[in-house]
Amino acid sequence: DTAVSQTPKYLVTQMGNDKSIKCEQNLGHDTMYWYKQDSKKFLKIMFSYNNKELIINETVPNRFSPKSPDKAHLNLHINSLELGDSAVYFCASSQGQGHYGYTFGSGTRLTVV
Amino acid sequence: GQNIDQPTEMTATEGAIVQINCTYQTSGFNGLFWYQQHAGEAPTFLSYNVLDGLEEKGRFSSFLSRSKGYSYLLLKELQMKDSASYLCAVIPNYGQNFVFGPGTRLSVLP
Repeated sequence: DTAVSQTPKYLVTQMGNDKSIKCEQNLGHDTMYWYKQDSKKFLKIMFSYNNKELIINETVPNRFSPKSPDKAHLNLHINSLELGDSAVYFCASSQGQGHYGYTFGSGTRLTVV
Repeated sequence: GQNIDQPTEMTATEGAIVQINCTYQTSGFNGLFWYQQHAGEAPTFLSYNVLDGLEEKGRFSSFLSRSKGYSYLLLKELQMKDSASYLCAVIPNYGQNFVFGPGTRLSVLP
C-alpha cells in the first residue's frame, strides 16, 4: 500500500487550461503539504494543511487553490496554467509539524506547453 | 530570511567515504533533516538531528553543530545506488515548515 499517493504522475497540458492534482495519505497523519520542485531542484513549500485547515500559504499566485475535503486528502487545483508552472509537484504528510519527518508522494511532473 | 547552503555536485568512487556539508542561517532552529532523492523519485527520509553530535545509522551518519550552523552527512562504503541528490532541511521554529537546501547531487563512479 502506498503511504502517500498522488495522481497523475505526469501531466502535459496547454497554457490557459485548468488542471487538478490529487493527493491521499493512509498514514493517519494530521498535516499535509504541497511542495514545488523547479528545474533547479529547489523544494519550496506552497501550502500546508492541518486537520483540513490551511496553516501555511506561501507567496503563491492565487491561480493555485488547495482543497482538503478531509485530513487524508489534499488536492491542488491550478487555473489558467502558465509556462512557468512547469515543475514537479510533491505532496507530503507528517504527524504534527514534521519533527518526525515528512513522507513524500512520488510527485507529479507538470509540463505546460 | 532563511538560507541553507550545500555544494551543488560531488563525485566519489564506489567503496569510498564521502562527506556532504550543509550550512544554515535561519531565524531559529528546531531540527535538521537529511533526505535522499533519486532522479525522478520522491525524497526519502535519512536522518534527523536536533542536538549536537553524531547520529549513526548503518552506512550513513549525520553530524550537527548548532553553534556553527553546520551539519554533514557521511556516507561510507559507497555503492552505485547511492548516486542521488541529498537534501538538507531545517525547521526554523516550532510550528514552521521545513526549509530545504538546494541539494547536493552525488555521483558514485565504479
